[in-house]
Amino acid sequence: QKEVEQDPGPLSVPEGAIVSLNCTYSNSAFQYFMWYRQYSRKGPELLMYTYSSGNKEDGRFTAQVDKSSKYISLFIRDSQPSDSATYLCAMVSGAGSYQLTFGKGTKLSVIP
Amino acid sequence: DTAVSQTPKYLVTQMGNDKSIKCEQNLGHDTMYWYKQDSKKFLKIMFSYNNKELIINETVPNRFSPKSPDKAHLNLHINSLELGDSAVYFCASSPPAFFGQGTRLTVV
Repeated sequence: QKEVEQDPGPLSVPEGAIVSLNCTYSNSAFQYFMWYRQYSRKGPELLMYTYSSGNKEDGRFTAQVDKSSKYISLFIRDSQPSDSATYLCAMVSGAGSYQLTFGKGTKLSVIP
Repeated sequence: DTAVSQTPKYLVTQMGNDKSIKCEQNLGHDTMYWYKQDSKKFLKIMFSYNNKELIINETVPNRFSPKSPDKAHLNLHINSLELGDSAVYFCASSPPAFFGQGTRLTVV
């Protein structure tokens, strides 16, 4: 079993839809959770960063972490064509370690 | 002002050549990384340096050698390039991890 599982999609939604992106993980040592957005031919861009269970909101984006279920989600409200990208979850075990373990990424297309 | 910058952005070279990719960060971070992204877009860590000291060295051919002259710079030198080395290489610094724009290496 891979440490981080992420459905690669592709996921196609109409503009304005709510998007739900998910990752599961097996390593209980993971303490910090991140979501990155990667446009084609660009570097990953950090969107959200959280370390506790619960929700964290930033504009149209909400990151949700459930450590008991080893499950994290990213919700995008009122999705826009400019949200079309690959979304990668990443996790770090903490305790002085900054080695990110990535999911494989979900390719999202928002159709106008 | 770019936080993590890599050069070159594109690199096309023949098999057997030696090449280097440079990375610089102006964020004051202590930790820098090299990641490789394959054709399926999977990001895999290669190396990590903390304050110029190597702390992570994943299973990477020893043709790949990182060098950190100071904590703001982490360069990647690749000897005897092979076709399978073709990928996008990303430099990053943390915490949390900010990435450069990538170097697309094509070995022909």
